[in-house]
Amino acid sequence: GQQVMQIPQYQHVQEGEDFTTYCNSSTTLSNIQWYKQRPGGHPVFLIQLVKSGEVKKQKRLTFQFGEAKKNSSLHITATQTTDVGTYFCAATVQGAQKLVFGQGTRLTINP
Amino acid sequence: NAGVTQTPKFQVLKTGQSMTLQCAQDMNHEYMSWYRQDPGMGLRLIHYSVGAGITDQGEVPNGYNVSRSTTEDFPLRLLSAAPSQTSVYFCASSWSFMYQETQYFGPGTRLLVL
Repeated sequence: GQQVMQIPQYQHVQEGEDFTTYCNSSTTLSNIQWYKQRPGGHPVFLIQLVKSGEVKKQKRLTFQFGEAKKNSSLHITATQTTDVGTYFCAATVQGAQKLVFGQGTRLTINP
Repeated sequence: NAGVTQTPKFQVLKTGQSMTLQCAQDMNHEYMSWYRQDPGMGLRLIHYSVGAGITDQGEVPNGYNVSRSTTEDFPLRLLSAAPSQTSVYFCASSWSFMYQETQYFGPGTRLLVL
């Protein structure tokens, strides 16, 4: 079954509004990665989090890894039309050599 | 560097036909993997390889075979295509899975099985 659950599945916002997507796992994760996929494109790596409680920022994007290393979030401040796409989290379960993806959150923006 | 390349870009098959999806990378990456992407299901791991000669199953391996005879190539074989295998297939590679490196994805192959 799906080891990494991602919510929401869809999110529609007005341009300028904030956006957040969440990833949760019932098991402890070694790391978590975030990817963005533009419509019709392929996933592109955004960032990786490894440490418990880690927070990283990329301009308007803020990524967090939970203290228990079982959840993560991606927050976009003041969305722009260029942020449109599907955001995926991907995680390695401790002891495994497999990268498991969440279902993704598809973000659409009303200009 | 071409990065990760996949061929073909599009393919239509009839039920029961077999075919091979090609994946190649020129970055000398050890780790390669195949995913399928279906609406609302995200990316599901089919098979992966941590180096030449070594492969293992992912979440949804049934109906697919892989081999890794060289570092560069990681073909995915559909043994007897079924409509349930209609999907977009992505190949990905990274330097080494042990260090949980960035995955570089190919452009994808869109497969329709009739």
